[in-house]
Amino acid sequence: EPEVTQTPSHQVTQMGQEVILRCVPISNHLYFYWYRQILGQKVEFLVSFYNNEISEKSEIFDDQFSVERPDGSNFTLKIRSTKLEDSAMYFCASRFGKGVSTDTQYFGPGTRLTVL
Amino acid sequence: AQRVTQPEKLLSVFKGAPVELKCNYSYSGSPELFWYVQYSRQRLQLLLRHISRESIKGFTADLNKGETSFHLKKPFAQEEDSAMYYCALSILSGGYNKLIFGAGTRLAVHP
Repeated sequence: EPEVTQTPSHQVTQMGQEVILRCVPISNHLYFYWYRQILGQKVEFLVSFYNNEISEKSEIFDDQFSVERPDGSNFTLKIRSTKLEDSAMYFCASRFGKGVSTDTQYFGPGTRLTVL
Repeated sequence: AQRVTQPEKLLSVFKGAPVELKCNYSYSGSPELFWYVQYSRQRLQLLLRHISRESIKGFTADLNKGETSFHLKKPFAQEEDSAMYYCALSILSGGYNKLIFGAGTRLAVHP
């Protein structure tokens, strides 16, 4: 069964550095998402992406964040200048999503980002 | 505002006991609700969704619009059910959907 994959599984960075988290969604899926989970807190929506553009973003997703689908298979989340409070587990998800149906989102295993 | 509430952080039961993990939601639109499960060191996996009305691994959940609830139930818990369980509400915003998660309930099933 196809799965969403994410790399790396763990990223450690210094405050102020740029990080890129990578995701490979399921190949025929059309909608892509990033969520994050700060330790001990709930999973929070960051951004959704469709047809090569952001369809919605949360207030967490400020100018320091960007997403890109550079080559038709990868889906990346970039944090330009990391802050301590960006430390969290970041989950990528995708869904097939023909039309506007609310079908299942499939999640990747997550990338644990630690900002020192 | 859209919200999902899972009141219990931890539910601890013995093997064979019935389990009910509570989930309440707040949403003005037509709700689409899901239960996701996360076993130790694994990804979030869909357990079930309310529109499927199916039983997965012995778990069932019924949407009660009057009580705005979507509680997850299993009559006889197994040790392998120990995991983190998240209730999620899918909402449509601008034609696109996103998931709103509850805080999660850790189910611990003891032998």
